[in-house]
Amino acid sequence: EPEVTQTPSHQVTQMGQEVILRCVPISNHLYFYWYRQILGQKVEFLVSFYNNEISEKSEIFDDQFSVERPDGSNFTLKIRSTKLEDSAMYFCASSEYRDTEAFFGQGTRLTVV
Amino acid sequence: AQSVTQPDIHITVSEGASLELRCNYSYGATPYLFWYVQSPGQGLQLLLKYFSGDTLVQGIKGFEAEFKRSQSSFSLTNPSLHWSDAAEYFCADTGGGNKLTFGTGTQLKVEL
Repeated sequence: EPEVTQTPSHQVTQMGQEVILRCVPISNHLYFYWYRQILGQKVEFLVSFYNNEISEKSEIFDDQFSVERPDGSNFTLKIRSTKLEDSAMYFCASSEYRDTEAFFGQGTRLTVV
Repeated sequence: AQSVTQPDIHITVSEGASLELRCNYSYGATPYLFWYVQSPGQGLQLLLKYFSGDTLVQGIKGFEAEFKRSQSSFSLTNPSLHWSDAAEYFCADTGGGNKLTFGTGTQLKVEL
């Protein structure tokens, strides 16, 4: 069964460093997303991406964040200068169309120290 | 703003017993509703979805959900729980768009 895969599963980084979280969405899906879940809190939408551009982003997704689809299979989230409050589980998701269900990866746990 | 409410933070149920998890949504137009499950250390797995049509939807692992427009609710049920159903359950809504708004989740514990 097709699935969304994320790497790495865990990442520890020092405050101020850049991190790139990687995702391989399901191959025939057209819409890609990043969500995050701070420990003990709800899952929050960060950004959606379609046709090689951001289609929607939340207030959380400020200039420190960027997304990219560098090739035909990968979808990345970059945090330029990490802060302690960026520590969270980051989920990548994809959906075939705009209004169909999203399938999630296993997540990357980011710890900023 | 769109919101999803899950009033129960923690629920403990005996194995073999039935379950109902409550969810209320706020978006006025026809909602697109989902239930996801997150097992410890795992990602979010889709249990079921409601877009339109029959208000009772079947999902995986024996779960069902009923959409009630008059109550703005989308409750998840299971007639007989297994110990492996212990997990956190999230209700979510896109409001017809593609951005999921999640509830705060309900942590389910299953006692043997």
